[in-house]
Amino acid sequence: EAGVVQSPRYKIIEKKQPVAFWCNPISGHNTLYWYLQNLGQGPELLIRYENEEAVDDSQLPKDRFSAERLKGVDSTLKIQPAELGDSAVYLCASSFSSEDNEQFFGPGTRLTVL
Amino acid sequence: GNSVTQMEGPVTLSEEAFLTINCTYTATGYPSLFWYVQYPGEGLQLLLKATKADDKGSNKGFEATYRKETTSFHLEKGSVQVSDSAVYFCALKWGTYKYIFGTGTRLKVLA
Repeated sequence: EAGVVQSPRYKIIEKKQPVAFWCNPISGHNTLYWYLQNLGQGPELLIRYENEEAVDDSQLPKDRFSAERLKGVDSTLKIQPAELGDSAVYLCASSFSSEDNEQFFGPGTRLTVL
Repeated sequence: GNSVTQMEGPVTLSEEAFLTINCTYTATGYPSLFWYVQYPGEGLQLLLKATKADDKGSNKGFEATYRKETTSFHLEKGSVQVSDSAVYFCALKWGTYKYIFGTGTRLKVLA
């Protein structure tokens, strides 16, 4: 069974440019998470989806970040415009439900903003 | 608020040495506790978990006991291998889905 798939794995852009990250969760997983992981830190939740509904986006900087999960399966996280401080690893995770005690993480997208 | 504190790394050990990575937490209520492992170039993987006080989680020779009296969940392994080299994250879950992760501890095991 395939795990959580993320692309691209690496992205280098100049500041003020837009960037998008894609995530395909494990088949049948209704809950999808986007996390931000800064260097030397643990993951921090950006947004959580239950199927296609964003049920917790309180930590998402909405002035420049947006996300969607239109059909309740794969998801896209976008930054526009990117800032130097956005350089980090963006992790996607999924679980069967929010109550499930195991999240499955993708390998992440490492973003470098120059 | 809730928080997780784990020991800073890197932790460098020789093969077959005993491993302890300390993790303490602050939380209201009754959180669940987890250890995740991240191998180079891969995503985080659940290593073990404990959902109530005095529970012991175990997997692949690793163990951790949920100690409410000391608010701790220390990770231990009796004999580490080179293949255990990775970053280990302690995490706390409260409510339905709220997670807090520690900063991670890098383990290097030398042959």
